[in-house]
Amino acid sequence: GAGVSQSPRYKVAKRGQDVALRCDPISGHVSLFWYQQALGQGPEFLTYFQNEAQLDKSGLPSDRFFAERPEGSVSTLKIQRTQQEDSAVYLCASSFSGSGTGELFFGEGSRLTVL
Amino acid sequence: AQSVTQLDSQVPVFEEAPVELRCNYSSSVSVYLFWYVQYPNQGLQLLLKYLSGSTLVESINGFEAEFNKSQTSFHLRKPSVHISDTAEYFCAVSDGGGYQKVTFGTGTKLQVIP
Repeated sequence: GAGVSQSPRYKVAKRGQDVALRCDPISGHVSLFWYQQALGQGPEFLTYFQNEAQLDKSGLPSDRFFAERPEGSVSTLKIQRTQQEDSAVYLCASSFSGSGTGELFFGEGSRLTVL
Repeated sequence: AQSVTQLDSQVPVFEEAPVELRCNYSSSVSVYLFWYVQYPNQGLQLLLKYLSGSTLVESINGFEAEFNKSQTSFHLRKPSVHISDTAEYFCAVSDGGGYQKVTFGTGTKLQVIP
């Protein structure tokens, strides 16, 4: 499809398990963002890629969170040793440019529930 | 650091009535401002944006927002709402710096009542 695609849409994990969330951005989009949206909250910035370079990871809540975009297209957000506070919707967004004026295109999100 | 405040978590309004969703921001530099909308079971999508120039910006479906620098506000308005406007609305700010780090508010759920 032409939009941002995320998988899985829903993931249930037991506490302590590792999870991997995938984002397939719009083809040709240089910028890719990950956001975390807890219940009743707005999206919170996690990390930003420009092509394959991770230029900002200041929003990652702990060293259990890791993101990569090795070929400058598909990105994976990995959470190790999941904990209950990691339960949230993880949103991926892409943008054609990184200049700050462009529109962010969001996927539908991956809802993670940690039991 | 930039931040966004949306004071109203829910706004119920009757169909065809006017509505205003409030947004205040804080930033130490010049800003770009956005409203995103999330319809039920869909991803966020851009509704309108202010980058520069005219302080009044409009969307294709009748919403408008006015950038007010002195009051650091970017309220969203529509003179007559429709059932299909029921959604959650997020105000967002970018400092227009080196790249597009967008900070979102907590959202306002607009419930249009028939």
